[in-house]
Amino acid sequence: GQQLNQSPQSMFIQEGEDVSMNCTSSSIFNTWLWYKQDPGEGPVLLIALYKAGELTSNGRLTAQFGITRKDSFLNISASIPSDVGIYFCAGLRTGTASKLTFGTGTRLQVTL
Amino acid sequence: GAGVSQSPSNKVTEKGKDVELRCDPISGHTALYWYRQSLGQGLEFLIYFQGNSAPDKSGLPSDRFSAERTGGSVSTLTIQRTQQEDSAVYLCASSLTETQYFGPGTRLLVL
Repeated sequence: GQQLNQSPQSMFIQEGEDVSMNCTSSSIFNTWLWYKQDPGEGPVLLIALYKAGELTSNGRLTAQFGITRKDSFLNISASIPSDVGIYFCAGLRTGTASKLTFGTGTRLQVTL
Repeated sequence: GAGVSQSPSNKVTEKGKDVELRCDPISGHTALYWYRQSLGQGLEFLIYFQGNSAPDKSGLPSDRFSAERTGGSVSTLTIQRTQQEDSAVYLCASSLTETQYFGPGTRLLVL
């Protein structure tokens, strides 16, 4: 099935650094979501974006819905060790019965 | 109440056997979804339920895969005659609006 292009695939950063990852698609989505998945767990929703151009923050996380509706990015500021995990973007199109299309994931490793 | 629960958490089976995976959604959530996550990959949509009906089965990879939902609550994903390529984590999610809440998944290993 289709997956969104997400980059980078993995990142190794030091604690305190800022992180940026993005997601692109060849087609338009009406909603963009960002999830985090810890080992052995299901994905947990971090941020939801509903309007093109929207910039939304959740604590140290900031995400934006691209104005073309074909991309989104997620920033994490001042990373901490518990930020380790896999981050997935997901897109939703109107009329697709809430069927999410997921990105390929960004694996984040934070070193002390 | 509690979040989405799935059972079993891990399942090891032999090639050719049938397996049943169970999902208990969040109480009151009308929509239920099954996804498959292969090692190191993103999530692949399998099937979606609204109530007990499945308007979108487009992601089921073959006719060996089927799912049902009863009473607008519990759902079972059945894989018949399992193959090694069926090995993956099977995730269930439920929602009332657009936000989907995921369970911890069932890790299936087909030997």
